[in-house]
Amino acid sequence: DTEVTQTPKHLVMGMTNKKSLKCEQHMGHRAMYWYKQKAKKPPELMFVYSYEKLSINESVPSRFSPECPNSSLLNLHLHALQPEDSALYLCASSQDSLTYEQYFGPGTRLTVT
Amino acid sequence: GESVGLHLPTLSVQEGDNSIINCAYSNSASDYFIWYKQESGKGPQFIIDIRSNMDKRQGQRVTVLLNKTVKHLSLQIAATQPGDSAVYFCAEIPPLRNNAGNMLTFGGGTRLMVKP
Repeated sequence: DTEVTQTPKHLVMGMTNKKSLKCEQHMGHRAMYWYKQKAKKPPELMFVYSYEKLSINESVPSRFSPECPNSSLLNLHLHALQPEDSALYLCASSQDSLTYEQYFGPGTRLTVT
Repeated sequence: GESVGLHLPTLSVQEGDNSIINCAYSNSASDYFIWYKQESGKGPQFIIDIRSNMDKRQGQRVTVLLNKTVKHLSLQIAATQPGDSAVYFCAEIPPLRNNAGNMLTFGGGTRLMVKP
């Protein structure tokens, strides 16, 4: 199984809502990543988890709150988002944080109204 | 046809022709590079990688060339097929930052359109 799954596929939320994005992998990978991708732009790294601990936070606003409850799951909790946060949110995993190859999920298309 | 990467984001080729997609990377200390393919509605998919101690690496129908002197990377696709239509991103991995993990830094991307 070389698949990273993400739910939901699409999400529309208001600026006062609280929602969560979910990511799951069963490859035994110990590093997981969140990326944000705006239309026609490359993915930009947000967070890196290594062995369930946050190792990199790329100066992401606190309205995005990541969580890694176990080695297979990665969540991104969203609260009080702005319309400019609308984007494709991609999850990826790799064997560990020193392994180069990352496997990406299909993403969650988020629209903030 | 040849793309100049960031400043020409769309490359249109005829089915069966060879494609060349170019990328300029930013960090001369980066020691690993990857090409990703992203189809509409999907996440990036690994195509081929190359380490900085190599100039060329070949895969199935794809070849990556690395020119460290000018910090340039190219992806060559032989006998381009309609299924190759996608956006292609190069990515570099700069030196470890505080041993916190490898970080992918993506280039701007080029859209490849294959005409049947």
